[in-house]
Amino acid sequence: AQKVTQAQTEISVVEKEDVTLDCVYETRDTTYYLFWYKQPPSGELVFLIRRNSFDEQNEISGRYSWNFQKSTSSFNFTITASQVVDSAVYFCALRFTGNQFYFGTGTSLTVIP
Amino acid sequence: NAGVMQNPRHLVRRRGQEARLRCSPMKGHSHVYWYRQLPEEGLKFMVYLQKENIIDESGMPKERFSAEFPKEGPSILRIQQVVRGDSAAYFCASSPRSGTLGTEAFFGQGTRLTVV
Repeated sequence: AQKVTQAQTEISVVEKEDVTLDCVYETRDTTYYLFWYKQPPSGELVFLIRRNSFDEQNEISGRYSWNFQKSTSSFNFTITASQVVDSAVYFCALRFTGNQFYFGTGTSLTVIP
Repeated sequence: NAGVMQNPRHLVRRRGQEARLRCSPMKGHSHVYWYRQLPEEGLKFMVYLQKENIIDESGMPKERFSAEFPKEGPSILRIQQVVRGDSAAYFCASSPRSGTLGTEAFFGQGTRLTVV
């Protein structure tokens, strides 16, 4: 069965701290993609990154970085020097067919000024 | 280039009424997904449509729910005889093509349905 687990329901950090959001997934497929989406208070979902199952190279984009480890089925997301604008719900998602994304339950991040 | 447009943003219906949620995909996108987000939960897949064709409706409740994506016009998610348990945020996403795993879906802002 396909499943995405985001064990951290809520996280609070003080501005400028680093924070890591965990994502663990389950799939029997060898070919799949992993995604992260951000849902700010306004409600829309904003695409952040995708990673395919054959590319374990970590990626950095500004203050954001992602660590994909196939051996542990994890795709963790780190925000460096967090800012108040980072406050949002973050969703990890798995896609192994063209039809649907499997979403985790989300991690609500609050950055305290 | 406008993003995925959903309307209305907020919809209130009395039990037993019908709810119609609209989604206009991004320009050039021919595939639409509908997801439901219940309070404190993640997004659950409902249905995947291509113009004039339902590709996958495995997440749709068997009764009262239907979806369409006509050749012209927006995709419509219809909920008949709404009940309180239908209260949720309904998100639409679009993508330019199917079968490509790496294609991200672009989401709308959602329609928040409240059944009173």
